[in-house]
Amino acid sequence: DSGVTQTPKHLITATGQRVTLRCSPRSGDLSVYWYQQSLDQGLQFLIQYYNGEERAKGNILERFSAQQFPDLHSELNLSSLELGDSALYFCASSVVNVGGEQFFGPGTRLTVL
Amino acid sequence: QKEVEQDPGPLSVPEGAIVSLNCTYSNSAFQYFMWYRQYSRKGPELLMYTYSSGNKEDGRFTAQVDKSSKYISLFIRDSQPSDSATYLCAMSFPNDYKLSFGAGTTVTVRA
Repeated sequence: DSGVTQTPKHLITATGQRVTLRCSPRSGDLSVYWYQQSLDQGLQFLIQYYNGEERAKGNILERFSAQQFPDLHSELNLSSLELGDSALYFCASSVVNVGGEQFFGPGTRLTVL
Repeated sequence: QKEVEQDPGPLSVPEGAIVSLNCTYSNSAFQYFMWYRQYSRKGPELLMYTYSSGNKEDGRFTAQVDKSSKYISLFIRDSQPSDSATYLCAMSFPNDYKLSFGAGTTVTVRA
């Protein structure tokens, strides 16, 4: 158990809908990262927050957004969902902003029908 | 060319064998190197974390980094059926945030 928690574990929804994924980092970790894992693309970095501020964006679609709250938990919002958004979404956390070990949560499996 | 190349396998070995995994990368600026283990439909679990070149050992696991060849390796000694999983290499630049992952190698250890 990495100490990173994610909810929900599974999410099934329809195209065009909007969903919110939630992540709580390990105690003491200030950085939160979101990754998407699909069969064809592997693990892809989406976005990073550090102590409430957005620090970096990766391959994140404009339909996706995230935020980190004062208690350091983070939410990833996915809107106007498409079939291709079906994937595993992982949250990871680390103590530092850069170069640190990242610890992953159990993931949320999103299925868009 | 992908930034990080990893043979997806699959790799099947008998119990007790040494498992040898490797990744190559194209950007010599990578400084931090990691190996993650991922069981089916679970989150990646950090196994080894190394900085720059050299070897690191932790129990049955040994990680090697050869920056001159842009090549990293993970060795698993005395492999067990519980080691059956997908192994992902990952790396990052100094003063950077994101991890660049290999595609992952699926390993099966036969009892």
